[in-house]
Amino acid sequence: GESVGLHLPTLSVQEGDNSIINCAYSNSASDYFIWYKQESGKGPQFIIDIRSNMDKRQGQRVTVLLNKTVKHLSLQIAATQPGDSAVYFCAETPGGSYIPTFGRGTSLIVHP
Amino acid sequence: GAGVSQSPSNKVTEKGKDVELRCDPISGHTALYWYRQRLGQGLEFLIYFQGNSAPDKSGLPSDRFSAERTGESVSTLTIQRTQQEDSAVYLCASSKVLLGTEAFFGQGTRLTVV
Repeated sequence: GESVGLHLPTLSVQEGDNSIINCAYSNSASDYFIWYKQESGKGPQFIIDIRSNMDKRQGQRVTVLLNKTVKHLSLQIAATQPGDSAVYFCAETPGGSYIPTFGRGTSLIVHP
Repeated sequence: GAGVSQSPSNKVTEKGKDVELRCDPISGHTALYWYRQRLGQGLEFLIYFQGNSAPDKSGLPSDRFSAERTGESVSTLTIQRTQQEDSAVYLCASSKVLLGTEAFFGQGTRLTVV
């Protein structure tokens, strides 16, 4: 079946560096994507979303890029801070579906 | 309320017992979702509600799992005759509408079956 997956299960960076977390999706019918951050012992927290009619969206210190040609989604975090350490999930919602489907997650570790 | 609230936050139960997990969504949110997250894993979709209706129950792992929602508000997830493989964090999320909008998550209920 079609699925959402992540290239790297763990990403380690130094404080102040920029981080890039990648996500591959295979359902070309997906038209809405969300990045969530999950800290230990907490529920996922919305970071940023993007619809398929866009290829880039920026938030505070975060940017999401969508490449529909290769079905790739990325989350860029500028000036990564220790508080950014968490597991990051991408989720896709195929057009006509009501169910956000989550990828496996990437653990981001920020070293002071 | 200010956010999605789940109770209890932790539940330890003996194998074979029934458990009931509660979710209070954000007021006015018509869509409600239940997910299961095993340790170190991603989120596994269980069921969603549009209002009080659950059109698709195919995500529920077995017939021991059931869910209901009343008053377009509180939802309960019931697991009968719990098994050790049911141990996980059960997450609830709500969104304003069903299709293609941000879902807000609660902190989850950590269920441990011993």
